[in-house]
Amino acid sequence: DTGVSQNPRHKITKRGQNVTFRCDPISEHNRLYWYRQTLGQGPEFLTYFQNEAQLEKSRLLSDRFSAERPKGSFSTLEIQRTEQGDSAMYLCASSLGLRQDTEAFFGQGTRLTVV
Amino acid sequence: AQSVSQHNHHVILSEAASLELGCNYSYGGTVNLFWYVQYPGQHLQLLLKYFSGDPLVKGIKGFEAEFIKSKFSFNLRKPSVQWSDTAEYFCAVSPLGAGNMLTFGGGTRLMVKP
Repeated sequence: DTGVSQNPRHKITKRGQNVTFRCDPISEHNRLYWYRQTLGQGPEFLTYFQNEAQLEKSRLLSDRFSAERPKGSFSTLEIQRTEQGDSAMYLCASSLGLRQDTEAFFGQGTRLTVV
Repeated sequence: AQSVSQHNHHVILSEAASLELGCNYSYGGTVNLFWYVQYPGQHLQLLLKYFSGDPLVKGIKGFEAEFIKSKFSFNLRKPSVQWSDTAEYFCAVSPLGAGNMLTFGGGTRLMVKP
C-alpha cells in the first residue's frame, strides 16, 4: 500500500505521560499536514511542513505539542504531559505541492485516549 | 479567519432519493472549496474540489457541487443515492494560496436505507 501510513493506530496513555505519533507520507509528496479530529467534529488543522520546514502552526498547537519532519520524509507529532482534552484522532495528510498544491491524501489516523 | 457551516448533522434517505447537503463558509477573500467523504472505518477521501472556473464541479461517484459566490455556499448534490453512499461528508475551505491547510465543517452523517 503506497498511501499515507500512520502509527500507531491506537494509543492509550495515562494523563501526564508523553506520546509520539509517526506519519509516513506518500513517497514523492513534499507537503505534510497534521490535523486533529474530536468526536462529532470535523478535522482541525494543526501544522504544515514543506519538505523539512515547518511553515505553519495553528494556535491550537499548544507548547506541549511539537512536530518534526527531520529529513523531509516521515514526520512525528509529540504531545508532552498529556491531558484528557488531548483525546482525539490525529490525522496526517500529504500532497505534492509545486507552484500549486494538489489533492491531499489522508492517513487513517492515530486514535489517542488519555485516561 | 475562515469558518465552515454544515447545517445538516444527520440525514437519512432511502435508496434512489436525491441528496443535497448544505455548506456555507465565511471568509472575506478568494477560497478553494472541497468536499471529502469518510466511509465507515476508512480514511478521508476527496470527492471533489473547486479552485476556479465553472462553478458546477463534478466529482467521483456521481457527486457534484455548485459554488454560489454570492451566497458563500458550496452545496453537494447527487441525483440518486445508493446504500454504498452511507458515510460522513465534510465540506472544507482554504484561502487561495493556502493549499491543503483546510478549515472543515462539522460534517454530515448520511445514512441510506436499502
